[in-house]
Amino acid sequence: QTVVTQEPSFSVSPGGTVTLTCGLSSGSVSTDYYPSWYQQTPGQAPRTLIYSTNTRSSGVPDRFFGSILGNKAALTITGAQADDESDYYCVLYMGNGISVFGPGTKVTVL
Amino acid sequence: EVQLVESGGGLIQPGGSLRLSCTASGFTVSNSYMSWVRQAPGKGLEWVSVLYSGGSTSYADSVKGRFTISRDNSKNTLYLQMISLTAEDTAVYYCARWRFIDDYFDSWGQGTLVTVSS
Repeated sequence: QTVVTQEPSFSVSPGGTVTLTCGLSSGSVSTDYYPSWYQQTPGQAPRTLIYSTNTRSSGVPDRFFGSILGNKAALTITGAQADDESDYYCVLYMGNGISVFGPGTKVTVL
Repeated sequence: EVQLVESGGGLIQPGGSLRLSCTASGFTVSNSYMSWVRQAPGKGLEWVSVLYSGGSTSYADSVKGRFTISRDNSKNTLYLQMISLTAEDTAVYYCARWRFIDDYFDSWGQGTLVTVSS
């Protein structure tokens, strides 16, 4: 059973930088997993932020940056703003049509 | 503009069946890979199923044998037929388009709530 891992929560100051990670319970995340990232605020549908490790979706500000850090995928938010306060989910593509979501990271801006 | 609108959610008794619909506009469902993703109350997102443009399907183990994904090309609509529902299936169900070139969900519907309860 493949388990995707994410930090449960992070707190960041306005204007600050935070890096969220997305790992595997066994093994390393590489670009072969096509890591993607989604932002969700309560009561809203997810919003696509990053795909294929580091490509920003249309309209996503360049404050959001995707990468591979060590053996994990990472989402870095720079210049954090109040409306960045959301849940962030990573998805890894396992092949054969199967995608696995991470448990999500709750980001608080304060 | 790509739009996805889900419908069909509601309150259903355990053991019951329900069919969700996702009507698309701005693109052709039959030429796309389409998925269902769900979110139980207060929980994270969970991938449920995918329908390839060629007609192949995949399902999460949690729904395999109980859920069926399909589409009606004439209505440009995606479906999720759910049977033998349990309380664990209570969730908001989102329809999403899957971009197979870069393997990610690029468009999302607003979701429809399914509540399984007696």
